[in-house]
Amino acid sequence: DAKTTQPNSMESNEEEPVHLPCNHSTISGTDYIHWYRQLPSQGPEYVIHGLTSNVNNRMASLAIAEDRKSSTLILHRATLRDAAVYYCILRRSNNAGNMLTFGGGTRLMVKP
Amino acid sequence: NAGVMQNPRHLVRRRGQEARLRCSPMKGHSHVYWYRQLPEEGLKFMVYLQKENIIDESGMPKERFSAEFPKEGPSILRIQQVVRGDSAAYFCASNGGGSTDTQYFGPGTRLTVL
Repeated sequence: DAKTTQPNSMESNEEEPVHLPCNHSTISGTDYIHWYRQLPSQGPEYVIHGLTSNVNNRMASLAIAEDRKSSTLILHRATLRDAAVYYCILRRSNNAGNMLTFGGGTRLMVKP
Repeated sequence: NAGVMQNPRHLVRRRGQEARLRCSPMKGHSHVYWYRQLPEEGLKFMVYLQKENIIDESGMPKERFSAEFPKEGPSILRIQQVVRGDSAAYFCASNGGGSTDTQYFGPGTRLTVL
């Protein structure tokens, strides 16, 4: 899978929106952009994924740049429970390996 | 619908003992993945299994580690002759097997080697 680059950490105030960026300049046409997060002392959990168009679900929104070389995970109103490490992962849509390749992720800290 | 279950949640072993970690996938899932997270590090893929088959074990250490996913029962990650460096959180995930299918993770087993 192609490499992604994320800031090591970000801070947000509670109840404010958070924009978590991810760069993936070597993305290929068949790579899906997935986001997972890991809350303290828990296993990772799926957040959202997309291919080309922006996506919304109950947890977050995913904004994908027109050239697909970057994307942004948007939490519309951060809560203390959103404090976690957020991972941006590219996954190719073929059967050549199904594992997730986790990078360092972005540690989001939410201040009350 | 129960999620992915792992047990034990915490496991303490002395150097040289064996550790057995169990993972029951989500109902209807036949694909299991094991990941290891060393203290203060990211998750690293270890092995990917289907029922009775190892599909990809490229992330498994060559010695002392083995995994299985029998026709009946949970997937087992086995570590023989544990060493202090094996202390980590071990996470299991499952899905239906599609290359971009969401993986659902269990709560992990935290192994401490004394």
